[in-house]
Amino acid sequence: AQKVTQAQTEISVVEKEDVTLDCVYETRDTTYYLFWYKQPPSGELVFLIRRNSFDEQNEISGRYSWNFQKSTSSFNFTITASQVVDSAVYFCALSEAGGNTPLVFGKGTRLSVIA
Amino acid sequence: DADVTQTPRNRITKTGKRIMLECSQTKGHDRMYWYRQDPGLGLRLIYYSFDVKDINKGEISDGYSVSRQAQAKFSLSLESAIPNQTALYFCATSSPTGPNTEAFFGQGTRLTVV
Repeated sequence: AQKVTQAQTEISVVEKEDVTLDCVYETRDTTYYLFWYKQPPSGELVFLIRRNSFDEQNEISGRYSWNFQKSTSSFNFTITASQVVDSAVYFCALSEAGGNTPLVFGKGTRLSVIA
Repeated sequence: DADVTQTPRNRITKTGKRIMLECSQTKGHDRMYWYRQDPGLGLRLIYYSFDVKDINKGEISDGYSVSRQAQAKFSLSLESAIPNQTALYFCATSSPTGPNTEAFFGQGTRLTVV
């Protein structure tokens, strides 16, 4: 069965620090997608990134970067030079069968960035 | 206007009442989902539908039912609400084709059962 584990329940950092949010997944499928979503205090879910199982290239988007390692079944998310606006709950999610199954979410990591 | 619209946004209801949460989308997606969010538990799948004639149970379907009235509409019903169904409910859509396979979420419905 597919499963997503976000072991860090809450993280607190001081503004401008770098922070990494961990995500470990379990699947027997060879074709799957991994996702990260952000849920700010306002409550909506904001899509951040999608990565398919055949693409292990790391990705960088501004202050955000993602490290996908199939060898360790991990898809970690790093925020560089964190800002107060990064304070949110972050969810990692998995979809199997080439993206044809509903998303299975981790329990989320609450990030607090303190000014 | 939002691509995925949930109504109502907030609702307080009494134990034992029947309540319907509605979701409509303008993205033209065939696939629709209902998730429930509880603090510390992430999002859990209640029901999903891959087209108008398709309904599937998710991880936590007990106490819920759904109706897919059209491609654009997917409603969730609580036949007899109970307090532990107090939660934040999200509707989502996705498409299996094209470059974007991520799910698009509505703004959420905060339901309180008293």
